[in-house]
Amino acid sequence: DQQVKQNSPSLSVQEGRISILNCDYTNSMFDYFLWYKKYPAEGPTFLISISSIKDKNEDGRFTVFLNKSAKHLSLHIVPSQPGDSAVYFCAASGNTPLVFGKGTRLSVIA
Amino acid sequence: NAGVMQNPRHLVRRRGQEARLRCSPMKGHSHVYWYRQLPEEGLKFMVYLQKENIIDESGMPKERFSAEFPKEGPSILRIQQVVRGDSAAYFCASSLTTGTLGNTIYFGEGSWLTVV
Repeated sequence: DQQVKQNSPSLSVQEGRISILNCDYTNSMFDYFLWYKKYPAEGPTFLISISSIKDKNEDGRFTVFLNKSAKHLSLHIVPSQPGDSAVYFCAASGNTPLVFGKGTRLSVIA
Repeated sequence: NAGVMQNPRHLVRRRGQEARLRCSPMKGHSHVYWYRQLPEEGLKFMVYLQKENIIDESGMPKERFSAEFPKEGPSILRIQQVVRGDSAAYFCASSLTTGTLGNTIYFGEGSWLTVV
């Protein structure tokens, strides 16, 4: 039973445009959500997080939106850069350790 | 380097041998987590430890796998009698306080286990 779902395994975006990565969850007990970025042969790197009491959190080019009623969150990257090409994992926690989605591979094309 | 340190980065074992993976958390962190990533899969939670205590091992296979985080020294994930299906990347993470209440966990670079 997948509690955190990233339904798009891959996404291609042109440099300078917006990248939107989506994530859905099923467990209503989740109250903290994070995005991690992962390059091949490296560990995941924390990118940005959001608490369930907020609906938006912004950090530079990265913005995370949370829609609790839809149990949906998204990560917006604008403008996208070639260095953003990586696998992005959505993760959620409540009273359990972080649960991860399967990831979305973002390719930013120059 | 004050980050989460894992070693070895790469480990090759023959079927039936034992694999030991080590993890030193970030300085000041007393909570350690182990995750496994199988090829083309996401990160699967295995175990959550504090010093000398296993807090949650709900993701650990029932047999052959064990983990510890002693009072002194690194956390160790031990896999006995490895099989081909154990080939994966094993990631350790740590957090300052419990990682279940809105706290961020930080990952190491991973240990890649290959069973031949």
